[in-house]
Amino acid sequence: GENVEQHPSTLSVQEGDSAVIKCTYSDSASNYFPWYKQELGKRPQLIIDIRSNVGEKKDQRIAVTLNKTAKHFSLHITETQPEDSAVYFCAASWGVGAQKLVFGQGTRLTINP
Amino acid sequence: GAVVSQHPSRVICKSGTSVKIECRSLDFQATTMFWYRQFPKQSLMLMATSNEGSKATYEQGVEKDKFLINHASLTLSTLTVTSAHPEDSSFYICSAREGRTSGGVFGPGTRLTVL
Repeated sequence: GENVEQHPSTLSVQEGDSAVIKCTYSDSASNYFPWYKQELGKRPQLIIDIRSNVGEKKDQRIAVTLNKTAKHFSLHITETQPEDSAVYFCAASWGVGAQKLVFGQGTRLTINP
Repeated sequence: GAVVSQHPSRVICKSGTSVKIECRSLDFQATTMFWYRQFPKQSLMLMATSNEGSKATYEQGVEKDKFLINHASLTLSTLTVTSAHPEDSSFYICSAREGRTSGGVFGPGTRLTVL
């Protein structure tokens, strides 16, 4: 089955700097790659996603890139702010219609003021 | 937007009792719902896929007789943890698929503590 590896497990950056979180997946059939932000005790919130027919997607300070050949995708956050501090999860899924997600291990991002 | 609710948000029970968690899609119909479990400081692990009107599909290693899933309507799925033990203490989160939304919309989660 699909396996998703996420790095780093923790990341600390200065406010205003950029943060990059990377994930690799094992199943070449995976075609949907969402990123979630989770604050302590709360549900995961979708922040951006990308499909396999696209190489890059951007939404304001957040961008995701996908390299299908290498089977890896990355989350880029620019101009980081203290409220970006949270745990971020990547995920992968495949198929058409209802899709279950396989999550990465998570990255605890801390933005230092 | 699509909203998913869960009830209860927190539950504390004694070892050996059963606990039922409800997952509802409030403003859309969900033919498929997913149940995840998240232990402290860990990732979300899929437990089972709940299909309206049919049996749930369980992930490898998840005991179907211990985690009973019922998806009786297009807006409600329930997860019952039977004979709960302290090792079942976790954060249980459901998600419901709305239309073509891949991955689904997550509920707020239920924190289960078994004493």
